[in-house]
Amino acid sequence: DSGVTQTPKHLITATGQRVTLRCSPRSGDLSVYWYQQSLDQGLQFLIQYYNGEERAKGNILERFSAQQFPDLHSELNLSSLELGDSALYFCASSVGQLQGATEAFFGQGTRLTVV
Amino acid sequence: DAKTTQPNSMESNEEEPVHLPCNHSTISGTDYIHWYRQLPSQGPEYVIHGLTSNVNNRMASLAIAEDRKSSTLILHRATLRDAAVYYCILRDGNNYGQNFVFGPGTRLSVLP
Repeated sequence: DSGVTQTPKHLITATGQRVTLRCSPRSGDLSVYWYQQSLDQGLQFLIQYYNGEERAKGNILERFSAQQFPDLHSELNLSSLELGDSALYFCASSVGQLQGATEAFFGQGTRLTVV
Repeated sequence: DAKTTQPNSMESNEEEPVHLPCNHSTISGTDYIHWYRQLPSQGPEYVIHGLTSNVNNRMASLAIAEDRKSSTLILHRATLRDAAVYYCILRDGNNYGQNFVFGPGTRLSVLP
């Protein structure tokens, strides 16, 4: 158990809909990262938050948005869903200080299926 | 992030040591070398990381070249459970707002 909790574990929804994925980081971790992994694809970095502020952005679509709340949990919002958005979405967390020197811990992911 | 290069795939026999190489010729002085692995249908899992000296933990050993342009993850006795994709990543130790980019990694197969 990494200590990072993602909910829900599975989500099935229709095209055009909007969903929210939730991530609770490990206790004390200030940074949260979101990744997308499509079937047999690599991990695509989406966005990073540090202590409530956006710090880095990757290949995140405009239909997607995220935020980190004062209690440090994070939510990834996916809207106007398309079939191609079906993927595993992972959240990771790490402590805020000297990030390169510390490891990151990943949740077990949310499997999103768009039908 | 500095770029790393890994073989696409490797194969090992069970209970034998495995050496997974990683090249990072453009590494900077403040980049830490991290290794993660991803088992099928699971989230990535931290394995080990280091800066200059070799590192050991319960999972593996990390051997870092003297010029730091390459490193090797060593699994001392491969088990079937070690079959996974292994990622070598560089992370800047001085950058708070750093993203965390994965390459394609090395897919390790372990044969019984």
